[in-house]
Amino acid sequence: QSVLTQPPSVSAAPGQKVTISCSGSSSNIGNNYVYWYHQVPGTAPKLLIYDDNKRPSGIPDRFSGSRSGTSATLGITGLQPGDEADYYCATWDNRLSVVVFGGGTKLTVL
Amino acid sequence: QVQLVQSGAEVKKPGASVKVSCKASGYTFSDYYIHWVRQAPGQGLEWMGWINPNRGGINYAQKFQGRVTMTRDTSLSTAYMELSRLRSDDTALYYCARSFGIGRFDYWGQGALVTVSS
Repeated sequence: QSVLTQPPSVSAAPGQKVTISCSGSSSNIGNNYVYWYHQVPGTAPKLLIYDDNKRPSGIPDRFSGSRSGTSATLGITGLQPGDEADYYCATWDNRLSVVVFGGGTKLTVL
Repeated sequence: QVQLVQSGAEVKKPGASVKVSCKASGYTFSDYYIHWVRQAPGQGLEWMGWINPNRGGINYAQKFQGRVTMTRDTSLSTAYMELSRLRSDDTALYYCARSFGIGRFDYWGQGALVTVSS
């Protein structure tokens, strides 16, 4: 069982918007930045969002992040077939002294 | 450009050890921590620990304490992760990743598949 809880899957049509939630606790999300990664099967994860809501260079503004309390959310607008991937949230856990990842959410673009 | 290039796939027997390398290029090796993250087949990501290439400081996840050793060779800009007393459930892709702050893994290696089988 992952320390951070994500829905196993989400889906939406091309052009639509989708959100992926990441639920944790005060020892992790409640007091630390959240990071989001996406991973196309067979390839290494790629950083999408850092420090809750910042995008690395090259990541389009269709991707957004937010954090409130002990939860975080990744938003993707204008869905494209190429967005199909597994998405992971991550943060530091103060109690466990580890980086914790969510279990991952598979995004399907219908 | 920043690159992390890992060593190739390995097949090991239970009880053996494996050492995976991660060669960095395109940046100053000592300026960024190197983390190790593994992914079992069809599963999610699991953090193993980090090494500070500058001073060699390390931090291992408690789950791997006593079995994992992370080292570096600054002259080669290479980090290493050695896992001992391998079990079948250690079969996974092992990634190295550069971090700018904890959790912000901005560059990843291509992964090294370690298969543990008798």
